[in-house]
Amino acid sequence: AQSVTQPDIHITVSEGASLELRCNYSYGATPYLFWYVQSPGQGLQLLLKYFSGDTLVQGIKGFEAEFKRSQSSFNLRKPSVHWSDAAEYFCAVGGYNKLIFGAGTRLAVHP
Amino acid sequence: DAGVIQSPRHEVTEMGQEVTLRCKPISGHNSLFWYRQTMMRGLELLIYFNNNVPIDDSGMPEDRFSAKMPNASFSTLKIQPSEPRDSAVYFCASSSGQGVQPQHFGDGTRLSIL
Repeated sequence: AQSVTQPDIHITVSEGASLELRCNYSYGATPYLFWYVQSPGQGLQLLLKYFSGDTLVQGIKGFEAEFKRSQSSFNLRKPSVHWSDAAEYFCAVGGYNKLIFGAGTRLAVHP
Repeated sequence: DAGVIQSPRHEVTEMGQEVTLRCKPISGHNSLFWYRQTMMRGLELLIYFNNNVPIDDSGMPEDRFSAKMPNASFSTLKIQPSEPRDSAVYFCASSSGQGVQPQHFGDGTRLSIL
C-alpha cells in the first residue's frame, strides 16, 4: 500500500539556520513525489516535485529536495531559513492520479 | 491568473442542516479533487473527478456526503444532514494533463457544525 511518513510533527529552528524535513514513502513503483507548504488559513502550495531524472530537485522559495531510492526518502532542505518560512509542510506521493499526503511537519522559526 | 476558487470561506450551521460547498477549478484543468483536513486525520481525499466524471469516491465517509461536477468549471460537495463531526476544513484542488500531476489548491472552506 502507498503511504507517506513524516517523522517530525513539529520542528523549531532559528532564523538563518539550515533546515531538513524528513519524508519516507512506501510505493510499489517509481514514485512521483511532491512537497507542499501550507500557511495558516490558506491552501497548499506546491514547492517542488520529482518525477524522474536528476534526484536533486530545486523548488520555489529556495527549497530543494533529494530523492534517495535506496532509503525511500525525499527530504526537503533549505540552507538558510527565513521567518516567513514558518508554516506546515506536507510530503506527498502520487500514483493512479491521486496523491497520498503525509501528516505534515509544522515549522516554527525563532528570530 | 485566477486559482482554484472556493466558496464560502467560512460556514457555521447547526447540525441537521444541509451544507453545500462550491468549487471553481482553474480553467483548462481536467481533474478536480475534494479533500477534508482535520487535526486528527490530516488531509484526506474524499473524491476526485476526471473530465467531470467521478473516478474514485472511496474516501467519501458516508452517504450523507455527495459530490457533483455538472460541468468543467464547477463542482459541489454536499453534506445532508450535517453532524458536528463533519467540522473540518474542506479543500478543492485541480490539475491538468494525464496521470499524476501537481495539484493546485483553493484556500478552503472552514466548516463548523454546531
